[in-house]
Amino acid sequence: EDKVVQSPLSLVVHEGDTVTLNCSYEVTNFRSLLWYKQEKKAPTFLFMLTSSGIEKKSGRLSSILDKKELFSILNITATQTGDSAVYLCAVEAGDDKIIFGKGTRLHILP
Amino acid sequence: DTGVSQNPRHKITKRGQNVTFRCDPISEHNRLYWYRQTLGQGPEFLTYFQNEAQLEKSRLLSDRFSAERPKGSFSTLEIQRTEQGDSAMYLCASSSARTVSNQPQHFGDGTRLSIL
Repeated sequence: EDKVVQSPLSLVVHEGDTVTLNCSYEVTNFRSLLWYKQEKKAPTFLFMLTSSGIEKKSGRLSSILDKKELFSILNITATQTGDSAVYLCAVEAGDDKIIFGKGTRLHILP
Repeated sequence: DTGVSQNPRHKITKRGQNVTFRCDPISEHNRLYWYRQTLGQGPEFLTYFQNEAQLEKSRLLSDRFSAERPKGSFSTLEIQRTEQGDSAMYLCASSSARTVSNQPQHFGDGTRLSIL
């Protein structure tokens, strides 16, 4: 059965710290891995990863995919209180389905 | 705002009633997805459309659930004879690629359903 597992499930850090969120997966016919940020409402898109070893960056956020070991990490440096959210990892499988993990709930203390 | 729009934002109803939600995708998007999200969980795939064709349905979608996208634009999700376990956030997303690998899905704000 296809699955996406995120860790940790929750994380509390102080503003300014760096965090690493993990996502491992087992899916049939992997196509892509996506990271979303969800605050109170809709998940908002962060990154789409299809190739191993190529880091994607957006400001203080970066992500990389390892297709051999079947995982991805999302890094956030110099965290701010506005980074507090649930971070969702999702994988697109060969049957066009998107499988989401349970998310990592990140709380940044001022 | 040209994002994905969902209505209503909240729906409270008694057990056994029927409910219908609407999703208006981004206008040029030909794919439309429905998800259900409960507290502490990621979104769970329910079904998706490419234009007006419903291409995939999750086993989570019991026969009380039906979705339509009659003209390939907006979509409706109906739940008949609601049960308390149907209480959740129902999210709609759309994308424009032939496969989503080319472009990510964009989500609406969801409809929060509460069954009394």
